[in-house]
Amino acid sequence: DAGVIQSPRHEVTEMGQEVTLRCKPISGHDYLFWYRQTMMRGLELLIYFNNNVPIDDSGMPEDRFSAKMPNASFSTLKIQPSEPRDSAVYFCASSPIGGTEAFFGQGTRLTVV
Amino acid sequence: GENVEQHPSTLSVQEGDSAVIKCTYSDSASNYFPWYKQELGKRPQLIIDIRSNVGEKKDQRIAVTLNKTAKHFSLHITETQPEDSAVYFCAASWVGQFYFGTGTSLTVIP
Repeated sequence: DAGVIQSPRHEVTEMGQEVTLRCKPISGHDYLFWYRQTMMRGLELLIYFNNNVPIDDSGMPEDRFSAKMPNASFSTLKIQPSEPRDSAVYFCASSPIGGTEAFFGQGTRLTVV
Repeated sequence: GENVEQHPSTLSVQEGDSAVIKCTYSDSASNYFPWYKQELGKRPQLIIDIRSNVGEKKDQRIAVTLNKTAKHFSLHITETQPEDSAVYFCAASWVGQFYFGTGTSLTVIP
């Protein structure tokens, strides 16, 4: 397996634009996590899914953020409209079952100007 | 949700010395405690983990201890080397939730 795959690796967008980040988890993994990493706040859990169902989205900062997992092999994190303070590295991770290692993707570095 | 606190935020040690990073958690239901290492510009990667039914685990120069009663766990790196320089994250997990500490930037001085 190629591991968790995220796209794009880098995204630069203008304030107010819609941004969509994509993630392909490791095949067979039941859990998928979205994290945001900044220097100030470290790794923040935004939302996680179990078997494609969102379980806890309490970490999603605002209604501008939304996440979907239409099937077991694909998830998106959307920001609409984007703001400069959304600039961060966004990681997707997956794990096979609860309470086991989470495998991270390479991350998407988002810059909103 | 779970609240994981990690200290110190930065740590500098001389090569060959030991490094200790400490974490506390709030949710007594948490039963899985991994440690991740993140090198600059890279993804976090698991280096060692421990479950709540174990008090200590060791893998070569790295060891982790867990005190479930006090809700704290620690990472110990012995005989540090320059390649140990990175950011280290602790995490606490139960079922699906997976919460990280704020990270410790470790610098090993040659």
